[in-house]
Amino acid sequence: DIQLTQSPSFLSASVGDRVTITCRASQGISSYLAWYQQKPGKAPKLLIYAASTLQSGVPSRFSGSGSGTEFTLTISSLQPEDFATYYCQQLNSYPPTFGQGTKVEIK
Amino acid sequence: EVQLVESGGGLVKPGGSLRLSCAASGFTFSSYSMNWVRQAPGKGLEWVSSISSSSSYIYYADSVKGRFTISRDNAKNSLYLQMNSLRAEDTAVYYCARDGPGYGDGFDYWGQGTLVTVSS
Repeated sequence: DIQLTQSPSFLSASVGDRVTITCRASQGISSYLAWYQQKPGKAPKLLIYAASTLQSGVPSRFSGSGSGTEFTLTISSLQPEDFATYYCQQLNSYPPTFGQGTKVEIK
Repeated sequence: EVQLVESGGGLVKPGGSLRLSCAASGFTFSSYSMNWVRQAPGKGLEWVSSISSSSSYIYYADSVKGRFTISRDNAKNSLYLQMNSLRAEDTAVYYCARDGPGYGDGFDYWGQGTLVTVSS
């Protein structure tokens, strides 16, 4: 199985900060990577797929990059509604594994 | 509007069975692969199972293989997960999620989840 490791696991930031989350795959997955946002008690929400394609309706302050084994999710200017947990997921092969999550909290 | 609504969760004893359902609306259900994903209390997301649009391809996580069965009824716009031989470690919120339209497009719509608690 392909393992995904996110860093950091926890991040404390202020409104307006630029935030970057990294996801590393244990083997190459081309660009078959998605990013999700999850708020407490809610279902995950797809933010980005194919490593860098913004899902419809997602604000442009979110962006994704990378290919192969290293990927990043960037929030250009953190907003109050962005405090949540973020997960990466690889869709290159079964099982479609998730990273362990990165919790973004208010500083 | 795409909607996925799970039902069937509840409290069950170890070794027991439960059948989850996911009612889909707002899209052509028969054209999309579907998935079950679970989340244990306070933990991360774990993919459980996937089924292709015509049920030709089915996949399971090793943790549930041989105990869980995914199925769908395209005429009823419904997805199911039959869970047998349940264990305490199966306790989680179970989400159904739709595959995006293209290969590797992620899971673009999710239900609100249904809680399964396995405890004596």
